[in-house]
Amino acid sequence: GAGVSQTPSNKVTEKGKYVELRCDPISGHTALYWYRQSLGQGPEFLIYFQGTGAADDSGLPNDRFFAVRPEGSVSTLKIQRTERGDSAVYLCASSLTPGVDEKLFFGSGTQLSVL
Amino acid sequence: AQSVAQPEDQVNVAEGNPLTVKCTYSVSGNPYLFWYVQYPNRGLQFLLKYITGDNLVKGSYGFEAEFNKSQTSFHLKKPSALVSDSALYFCAVRDTTDSWGKFQFGAGTQVVVTP
Repeated sequence: GAGVSQTPSNKVTEKGKYVELRCDPISGHTALYWYRQSLGQGPEFLIYFQGTGAADDSGLPNDRFFAVRPEGSVSTLKIQRTERGDSAVYLCASSLTPGVDEKLFFGSGTQLSVL
Repeated sequence: AQSVAQPEDQVNVAEGNPLTVKCTYSVSGNPYLFWYVQYPNRGLQFLLKYITGDNLVKGSYGFEAEFNKSQTSFHLKKPSALVSDSALYFCAVRDTTDSWGKFQFGAGTQVVVTP
């Protein structure tokens, strides 16, 4: 596709439920990033993939959060036992090789609402 | 450790007047600096970056930014603002001593350009 695609665009769930958020990066981009943006704040780093491996997952807030990128393209962010504080916009971005081209291309995000 | 500060929540400017959006940063190593813009219901879009070289960086839509190492600043500027420049602007930094994927974003500055 032409840009980074995130699905769903909106997700409403109940406290305690499990959710999966999907990101389809730009074809050929080796790096993929997940950020979280709360209302009135800038994006907050969660995890970064280089290829299939998580190169840096230091931003994941706790072990309820997990992300995978099994084939080096599509990624899924998984949140277990959701809490109301998890409500935010989850942003995915991709780029060419980090350290060479630092320009991030962002998707439109998934608005997660935990009731 | 890295951090970014955008001291103004909102900047108001009349169309045709110069626009400045302020950003200061703190890093342990050397900074890679970026500006992104977010329009309503759209993903963040890259405007410009400073990696090395000339302190004055030119970017998309007539924007430019000046890297000032002594003041640890990277202010965004446009000589003549347009109503269509009204959007949310984010400054971001990556510390060269940190992982390639870890960008720190500021809280954002809302720019309002009035006709």
